[in-house]
Amino acid sequence: NAGVTQTPKFQVLKTGQSMTLQCAQDMNHNSMYWYRQDPGMGLRLIYYSASEGTTDKGEVPNGYNVSRLNKREFSLRLESAAPSQTSVYFCASKSGGGGPYGYTFGSGTRLTVV
Amino acid sequence: AQSVTQLDSHVSVSEGTPVLLRCNYSSSYSPSLFWYVQHPNKGLQLLLKYTSAATLVKGINGFEAEFKKSETSFHLTKPSAHMSDAAEYFCVVSASSGNTGKLIFGQGTTLQVKP
Repeated sequence: NAGVTQTPKFQVLKTGQSMTLQCAQDMNHNSMYWYRQDPGMGLRLIYYSASEGTTDKGEVPNGYNVSRLNKREFSLRLESAAPSQTSVYFCASKSGGGGPYGYTFGSGTRLTVV
Repeated sequence: AQSVTQLDSHVSVSEGTPVLLRCNYSSSYSPSLFWYVQHPNKGLQLLLKYTSAATLVKGINGFEAEFKKSETSFHLTKPSAHMSDAAEYFCVVSASSGNTGKLIFGQGTTLQVKP
């Protein structure tokens, strides 16, 4: 089925460990996004990629890095995980342009850092 | 800069009674506004969107929202709640800056539906 695929769905890390969250979309969308969801705070933008080859910081980028590997894939890396990064992470993609149309969200990655 | 405030963190209704989830926004120009729903342990699903066409927007599952510029509000309503409506709801505004398509989320409102 067409859409946004995130892996893994669940992950437990120890403080200081590193990991990469993977995201892939098969809708030929230009823009991709990483959000984190925390209770009582809605979703906050970590990083985004408006088009292949570009990435920019969002609202809460500290402690994260991203790679737009190609048009389909946008990965999020935690170099040294901290308990404050315990969250649910959502990847999203969108068809091109600045308008609000065509957003698709993945099903999320639930990350716990102990 | 835009922002969105959901006025209730938790709303409880009885099945068959009306639902009202309140959202106020702040924007320096006419915004694009959305409501998303998230069922437990699921991803986000778009309920409806306002993009400067009709001020009363109809969405899926019987939900609708009315854009009121004078009140800077975009409240979500449904005439009769169903048990399956129990979920978290997010009011969202599309960011204005550049060509990024970024979304700004409200804090969320948890809807409880009692039998």
